Amino acid sequence: GNSVTQMEGPVTLSEEAFLTINCTYTATGYPSLFWYVQYPGEGLQLLLKATKADDKGSNKGFEATYRKETTSFHLEKGSVQVSDSAVYFCALGAREGQNFVFGPGTRLSVLP
Amino acid sequence: DTEVTQTPKHLVMGMTNKKSLKCEQHMGHRAMYWYKQKAKKPPELMFVYSYEKLSINESVPSRFSPECPNSSLLNLHLHALQPEDSALYLCASSLLIRQAGDGELFFGEGSRLTVL
Repeated sequence: GNSVTQMEGPVTLSEEAFLTINCTYTATGYPSLFWYVQYPGEGLQLLLKATKADDKGSNKGFEATYRKETTSFHLEKGSVQVSDSAVYFCALGAREGQNFVFGPGTRLSVLP
Repeated sequence: DTEVTQTPKHLVMGMTNKKSLKCEQHMGHRAMYWYKQKAKKPPELMFVYSYEKLSINESVPSRFSPECPNSSLLNLHLHALQPEDSALYLCASSLLIRQAGDGELFFGEGSRLTVL
């Protein structure tokens, strides 16, 4: 079945540092890929998405590119802020016969 | 309107109580979901409704009883819960279940349940 692997962290960075959170997937077919963010005490919010190979999703300074050849969807941000402290989930979209699949989540702490 | 609204935000109940969690969306989505999330873990799928019919039940104990009264509402009835059922319960919706192409899930803020 489909699966998602991501670095679990926690990841601790100083403000204005560069962020990379790795995500790789195993899937039949070509599902959409998502990054969701969960701030403390809140539900999940969609951060960005990509629906086909080589698509780049971007939002709030975060970017991720759907790489079919490496089955990856790494999340990057050039300069993190304290307000980016949250848990980030990589996910595969649902397809015929397959449910939505979440990675284990990566906790990010950004220090001032 | 791109919101999924969940009530209550917090719920404390004893093991003999009966309570309900409620979820509402007005995006015209025909698939609605209940997820359970424990601390530091990803959401775990519990139930999926498609066109108001139960489509998926991920072997959830019968003390959790879902209900979908109409296309906008989803309830989760709780009875005789155990302390280990304490968690964040998330409702989500999507346009269709297991559709091709984009398959974004829209989440509510969650209901944090504590079972004493």
